[in-house]
Amino acid sequence: AQSVTQLDSHVSVSEGTPVLLRCNYSSSYSPSLFWYVQHPNKGLQLLLKYTSAATLVKGINGFEAEFKKSETSFHLTKPSAHMSDAAEYFCVVTPAGGFKTIFGAGTRLFVKA
Amino acid sequence: ETGVTQSPTHLIKTRGQQVTLRCSSQSGHNTVSWYQQALGQGPQFIFQYYREEENGRGNFPPRFSGLQFPNYSSELNVNALELDDSALYLCASSWTTPDYGYTFGSGTRLTVV
Repeated sequence: AQSVTQLDSHVSVSEGTPVLLRCNYSSSYSPSLFWYVQHPNKGLQLLLKYTSAATLVKGINGFEAEFKKSETSFHLTKPSAHMSDAAEYFCVVTPAGGFKTIFGAGTRLFVKA
Repeated sequence: ETGVTQSPTHLIKTRGQQVTLRCSSQSGHNTVSWYQQALGQGPQFIFQYYREEENGRGNFPPRFSGLQFPNYSSELNVNALELDDSALYLCASSWTTPDYGYTFGSGTRLTVV
């Protein structure tokens, strides 16, 4: 069975400081892992994906995530937050070659000036 | 390269009515998935279509049904609408399987009164 847990429902940072959004997953098979971002009243945009290649994955807008199998984690980071990063972020797991993609509950990122 | 387009963007229906939502997949994508996103929650997988056949379904009742057409566009039909069906409905397309990520549309906001 698959599951995704986003450990924080809300994260607040100041502009220019680092961002850390935490995600733990559970999957019976080798999963693909993703982070998506959703701005208000918009659809979801793919930030980055892990598909069993390099464990450190670089995405768009300066975000990156590290796949740690031993910790079953896939945390999202960014060295320096920008006001435009304020949005909802979703950690997502899909079994290899499968469907029934599972979304986490989301983490709302607030960025203070 | 066109993205995923959904129509209509907003819809208000009365309890007990039926609704059809439409989705045009991204050029080159042959798989379409539908998600329901209730307010403040992550998207929930409804079902997935590949080459006009449903090949995966989430925990939704049979009154949620769909179609995929030869051009890979898709419809989501919901019969006997209930108040709890009020949500943002997202369509996502991918190539064959979602291992490499989805492209999402901006969604249809359905309100049932």
